[in-house]
Amino acid sequence: SQQGEEDPQALSIQEGENATMNCSYKTSINNLQWYRQNSGRGLVHLILIRSNEREKHSGRLRVTLDTSKKSSSLLITASRAADTASYFCATDGYGNKLVFGAGTILRVKS
Amino acid sequence: DAEITQSPRHKITETGRQVTLACHQTWNHNNMFWYRQDLGHGLRLIHYSYGVQDTNKGEVSDGYSVSRSNTEDLPLTLESAASSQTSVYFCASAKNTDTQYFGPGTRLTVL
Repeated sequence: SQQGEEDPQALSIQEGENATMNCSYKTSINNLQWYRQNSGRGLVHLILIRSNEREKHSGRLRVTLDTSKKSSSLLITASRAADTASYFCATDGYGNKLVFGAGTILRVKS
Repeated sequence: DAEITQSPRHKITETGRQVTLACHQTWNHNNMFWYRQDLGHGLRLIHYSYGVQDTNKGEVSDGYSVSRSNTEDLPLTLESAASSQTSVYFCASAKNTDTQYFGPGTRLTVL
């Protein structure tokens, strides 16, 4: 069973708009990570937020974590066509292993 | 630069054949992982290793095996390939429980 579940499954926006993706998980975690996957490629790490953090920024990315609701969100501001990809959250609720959600497919139209 | 590579990138095989997918990393990471990715399922963990001679089963380990004889390599073997094992396979490595670094993937088709 998957620990993380992303929402929405797919998102289509115009270039310049913000994109928000959500992730819910089931068990206690030490950290939650977000990864990006371009079509036909491997996953690339974007950002990690620890369980004692509530918000973290990296460039145009903003991640929030609410451990009471077991949820996280990834905000991409001022989106670009190059942001078109699948985005996955991953949690470490099972020891050193990461458990990935099914992902959100983001399409940014130029 | 350190990297993680997978070979082959594409493989077509027949049902019942043994297949081995290679994964090689030059980061000297202790932790290595194999995942499969299927539409609608995200990534599912097949096997993982925390160091030389250490191997562990993941969520979907049936029909797969791994061995870890050195730090750099974690080959994945399909003992007797089945059509249900048609998938894209990703290898990853990590220093600890944080960032995992993924290879480019191997697309396997079992006919």
